[in-house]
Amino acid sequence: KAGVTQTPRYLIKTRGQQVTLSCSPISGHRSVSWYQQTPGQGLQFLFEYFSETQRNKGNFPGRFSGRQFSNSRSEMNVSTLELGDSALYLCASSEGLAGYTFGSGTRLTVV
Amino acid sequence: GIQVEQSPPDLILQEGANSTLRCNFSDSVNNLQWFHQNPWGQLINLFYIPSGTKQNGRLSATTVATERYSLLYISSSQTTDSGVYFCAVPNTGKLIFGQGTTLQVKP
Repeated sequence: KAGVTQTPRYLIKTRGQQVTLSCSPISGHRSVSWYQQTPGQGLQFLFEYFSETQRNKGNFPGRFSGRQFSNSRSEMNVSTLELGDSALYLCASSEGLAGYTFGSGTRLTVV
Repeated sequence: GIQVEQSPPDLILQEGANSTLRCNFSDSVNNLQWFHQNPWGQLINLFYIPSGTKQNGRLSATTVATERYSLLYISSSQTTDSGVYFCAVPNTGKLIFGQGTTLQVKP
């Protein structure tokens, strides 16, 4: 059974640009959630999608957005990148009470 | 909202030693997970343990839900056990993480 796949693994972007990250959940999992990890703030929740609908959203500015497709794959987009957006972005898939499984993450560096 | 606290924040061990990591949470939970973050950043699921005790090799975990804490035991530690250990509880569709325990195992 394939795990959670995140692409790309690494990204370097310039301030002001936008970026799109992708997450493919475990087959059969309908929930995908995204987290940002920085040294200062730890792991913070961005948003959760379930069956193509955003169910929960964390306390992040509107520059952070996401979507989920009918095959449960999810994308998150960050527009007008700032230096402070440099972080490890992790996605997790879950289904029911089975717990969360995380992907390998995308490490974004904004220069 | 629910608060999750981990202790100690840092731990240094010699290879072969045992250790106990603690996770306290402020409200009742219906699930709790322990993760190990490897050097490349991936969160590896160690235990899904809403209550009771589970063991997996040298690692075991115990959650006492009524007293709102969970413990992760690492026995006969190895250098490959180094990294950051997180506990997390689900709350309204998201995971609430503790700040983590950074473990360094020296050869």
